[in-house]
Amino acid sequence: SQQGEEDPQALSIQEGENATMNCSYKTSINNLQWYRQNSGRGLVHLILIRSNEREKHSGRLRVTLDTSKKSSSLLITASRAADTASYFCATDARSGAGSYQLTFGKGTKLSVIP
Amino acid sequence: KAGVTQTPRYLIKTRGQQVTLSCSPISGHRSVSWYQQTPGQGLQFLFEYFSETQRNKGNFPGRFSGRQFSNSRSEMNVSTLELGDSALYLCASSLAGGRAHEQYFGPGTRLTVT
Repeated sequence: SQQGEEDPQALSIQEGENATMNCSYKTSINNLQWYRQNSGRGLVHLILIRSNEREKHSGRLRVTLDTSKKSSSLLITASRAADTASYFCATDARSGAGSYQLTFGKGTKLSVIP
Repeated sequence: KAGVTQTPRYLIKTRGQQVTLSCSPISGHRSVSWYQQTPGQGLQFLFEYFSETQRNKGNFPGRFSGRQFSNSRSEMNVSTLELGDSALYLCASSLAGGRAHEQYFGPGTRLTVT
């Protein structure tokens, strides 16, 4: 079952605009990660934010985390056609006996129109 | 460093057959996780291996199994294939797995069951 849920499911913007994707999760986490997947390929890690962090930047990416609302957002500034991909949030969910597994949401499909 | 490699990239099998997929992690990575990705269910965790031991298992039937070798390479086996097993199977490696470690994904193996 999915721990994280991304919103919106799909997003279409013009090149140069900003894109914002949201992720909500259900249980407490230690960290939250964002990944990108180009059509039918493997996932690429974008950024990891720990539960004691509120905001993190990496290049054109800005991630925020609000643990009180159990939500995170990913902002891509000045989008490019190459940013067209699906974006997933992933949380570390406890799976019993002290072990953890990475649980992914269903993703936001971003289309950047040149 | 070479990335995560998966073989084969594409596979077509018939219902009832079995299949073995292979994953070579990034050099030095001891944790290998497997995921199944389908349009309906999204990315679902199958299992994680660390130092040749299965450390974590998702909610899949016993037809899905795996193993890890001393060089950290991992194989995943699905027996008695069903149509619903058609999916993109992704393997990911990380330094130590568990929480707080980013995962590096391979390109995936596209399995089609007819």
